[in-house]
Amino acid sequence: GIQVEQSPPDLILQEGANSTLRCNFSDSVNNLQWFHQNPWGQLINLFYIPSGTKQNGRLSATTVATERYSLLYISSSQTTDSGVYFCAVWFYKYIFGTGTRLKVLA
Amino acid sequence: GAGVSQSPRYKVAKRGQDVALRCDPISGHVSLFWYQQALGQGPEFLTYFQNEAQLDKSGLPSDRFFAERPEGSVSTLKIQRTQQEDSAVYLCASSLPSGGQGEQFFGPGTRLTVL
Repeated sequence: GIQVEQSPPDLILQEGANSTLRCNFSDSVNNLQWFHQNPWGQLINLFYIPSGTKQNGRLSATTVATERYSLLYISSSQTTDSGVYFCAVWFYKYIFGTGTRLKVLA
Repeated sequence: GAGVSQSPRYKVAKRGQDVALRCDPISGHVSLFWYQQALGQGPEFLTYFQNEAQLDKSGLPSDRFFAERPEGSVSTLKIQRTQQEDSAVYLCASSLPSGGQGEQFFGPGTRLTVL
């Protein structure tokens, strides 16, 4: 089946720093979503991005479907950005990646 | 309601008991998904409904797991004769279009602990 790998697995940042999270997938997919799972376990939608680039405030995402990867950029990180970031790709069903655990220090 | 809701939020069961977990999707959403999330892992697909039809149940781990969506809105995930390995968070998601690949919106989950 399709493999969805995220990197880095863990990331520690000082408040105000920028970061790039990566999602690689091993087969062609039709759709991709990025989520933030907060410390209370709620999955929060960040981007629905099958291809191209989208921006929402301090966050932006780019998916290059032909090269089988997506990037999530976080700028000027805040402590509230802490949590786990997942990508999920549609390959007959949604398959979640391995996740990136982010901790932002004040 | 404005979002996906799930009940109960927490459930403790003794090994061998049956449990039923409820999901209320966003009104009008055609597609509904159930996922299981073990501690420290990403959500894993269990099953998918399009309206009342269960189109994919390939992720259900055993025949003790059963899901239904009889009127195409509310869904129930039932686990019979619970085992300790069933302890996990069970997440429900819904999306508007048929076909399943639209943007998903998740509920808060039900944390199941089997003693």
